[in-house]
Amino acid sequence: GAGVSQSPSNKVTEKGKDVELRCDPISGHTALYWYRQRLGQGLEFLIYFQGNSAPDKSGLPSDRFSAERTGESVSTLTIQRTQQEDSAVYLCASSFGTGGYEQYFGPGTRLTVT
Amino acid sequence: GQQLNQSPQSMFIQEGEDVSMNCTSSSIFNTWLWYKQDPGEGPVLLIALYKAGELTSNGRLTAQFGITRKDSFLNISASIPSDVGIYFCAGQIKTGNQFYFGTGTSLTVIP
Repeated sequence: GAGVSQSPSNKVTEKGKDVELRCDPISGHTALYWYRQRLGQGLEFLIYFQGNSAPDKSGLPSDRFSAERTGESVSTLTIQRTQQEDSAVYLCASSFGTGGYEQYFGPGTRLTVT
Repeated sequence: GQQLNQSPQSMFIQEGEDVSMNCTSSSIFNTWLWYKQDPGEGPVLLIALYKAGELTSNGRLTAQFGITRKDSFLNISASIPSDVGIYFCAGQIKTGNQFYFGTGTSLTVIP
């Protein structure tokens, strides 16, 4: 079946602009995660949605970052007033069930802030 | 957040050699995952471990959940050029909580 998809694949934006990144998880997956990966670095947890529970926002680096999820489907990560240090690949993952096991990742959105 | 120390940071090996990498944490984890990431792609799950002492294989890959629950190992036997990539470990402290990722091991296989 279809995997996790993300759009856009690449985004170049000017400093100070807002951006929206989209994630479509695998159908039936109740858990959805957002991560940030800076060049040559590991994955930095941002936010986690599980079903109808309140999201775990503990990884969001500042109040410029927010995310929403509609039911158990698409999620949008929004970065307001982008800064150059926001440049990174933003990865989305989904998993089935509450265990958070076996996350399946999308290809990521490469964000460049100029 | 939790720190996962992954080593080595990078490896350069000859095709056919075996590879070993590990991941350690300061906390006890109840799940360990190993991923491989190719350039421009998202990480792909290789092996999942759910029980202390568990040893699981996936083809030429073998991973172990350390008995202390604070570490995990990944071995690749008889490496081939397509093994090139970055390998990440990930651990979960409690079911339903977030996963923490290691900093990655970059593997280069020289034909």
